[in-house]
Amino acid sequence: QVTLRESGPALVRSTQTLTLTCSFSGFSLASTGMCVTWIRQPPGRALEWLARIDWDDDTYYNISLRTRLTISKDTPKNQVVLTLTNVAPVDTATYYCARFASAWHEVDYWGPGLLVTVSS
Amino acid sequence: SYVLTQPLSVSVAPGKTAEITCAGDNIESKSVHWHQQKPGQAPVLVIHRDDGRPSGISERFSGSNSGTTATLTISRVEAEDEADYYCQVWDGSSHHVVFGGGTKLTVL
Repeated sequence: QVTLRESGPALVRSTQTLTLTCSFSGFSLASTGMCVTWIRQPPGRALEWLARIDWDDDTYYNISLRTRLTISKDTPKNQVVLTLTNVAPVDTATYYCARFASAWHEVDYWGPGLLVTVSS
Repeated sequence: SYVLTQPLSVSVAPGKTAEITCAGDNIESKSVHWHQQKPGQAPVLVIHRDDGRPSGISERFSGSNSGTTATLTISRVEAEDEADYYCQVWDGSSHHVVFGGGTKLTVL
């Protein structure tokens, strides 16, 4: 059974760095083809892809946020960490981590999401 | 960058068939996946690899992908199907996961 869960602060101040952790079970990032990805959704708006990290340490970023994002993994702990620097109120969103199966390029399991509010 | 275009909204009466489209350049060359998001909940994968149903998804959900349009079809629509639906692909050129803008399905 695949599960993922996001953790981190519910409230951050403008210009600070947001650090989010995805803890997962039911699969391993040591397994070929397994990836974890981060997606966010501002209130009332559409999904926006942020970043992806693969079993072989390859990383991919949304080009519009590339300079502010870092994704990393701790394979033995089954955790993936996303950092977003210099946050602003426009970064207020529900942040989701999800499993990405590279064989078919699909996001197949989602975490419940974490609402992060950025105050000015 | 690759763009997926969905209608903002689709309305359908209970028991009828709903079709939600997702348009993209040569989308038939990509594997298209569909996610359902009910209010206040995380998305759930309902169709993968163009036309496959993940375990536990109702057979009323089906998909197709041809030319420049992928389509999610929901047969015998029920009130519980009311949700936002997003199509998703991987763009190998930009190395991006791409989502459509989402379609709100309203059951009349």
